[in-house]
Amino acid sequence: DAKTTQPPSMDCAEGRAANLPCNHSTISGNEYVYWYRQIHSQGPQYIIHGLKNNETNEMASLIITEDRKSSTLILPHATLRDTAVYYCIGAYKYIFGTGTRLKVLA
Amino acid sequence: SAVISQKPSRDICQRGTSLTIQCQVDSQVTMMFWYRQQPGQSLTLIATANQGSEATYESGFVIDKFPISRPNLTFSTLTVSNMSPEDSSIYLCSVGVPGQYGYTFGSGTRLTVV
Repeated sequence: DAKTTQPPSMDCAEGRAANLPCNHSTISGNEYVYWYRQIHSQGPQYIIHGLKNNETNEMASLIITEDRKSSTLILPHATLRDTAVYYCIGAYKYIFGTGTRLKVLA
Repeated sequence: SAVISQKPSRDICQRGTSLTIQCQVDSQVTMMFWYRQQPGQSLTLIATANQGSEATYESGFVIDKFPISRPNLTFSTLTVSNMSPEDSSIYLCSVGVPGQYGYTFGSGTRLTVV
């Protein structure tokens, strides 16, 4: 299972794009990259996943580098409700890293 | 998406006792996992609950301390045995539903051992 590395915390102004990086240099060729977020006192919530191509859904966009060693989750217009811990996971089996605590500032 | 009912939502228990946590899903699922989240920490995978067979435990977790049952495709239990204050955590179940992206997590059981 791939080990992931994320910055421990980030701030973002409300309405601006939040770009959350993740390093997963040990990911294997057939392992998907998944992103989840955990809002205080709740269980983690699925956001998006990808293998090689960039992906977009109603919540976010996922940019995966060509060598698949890193990815970036983009929240295009962050709101206060996006304040949470964001986890990047690269594995069949979900091994959570320490995540990034995103604080969206008014 | 699948709806998970996890019970109890919270409990305060005496050291040396055991607590069984239930995870009920409203649809048949393929994968079921149990996690622990200690205060201020990330989630740690305890085990994969296998339907009709013994659970697969991660390093550092043993069946005697965390027995798991999964009698069918919609239900699982995790027991925290012979509890100590170090077992105070949030315990979460997570499921994979066929045709659904990602896994769904329950809201967790907040356990305090005194």
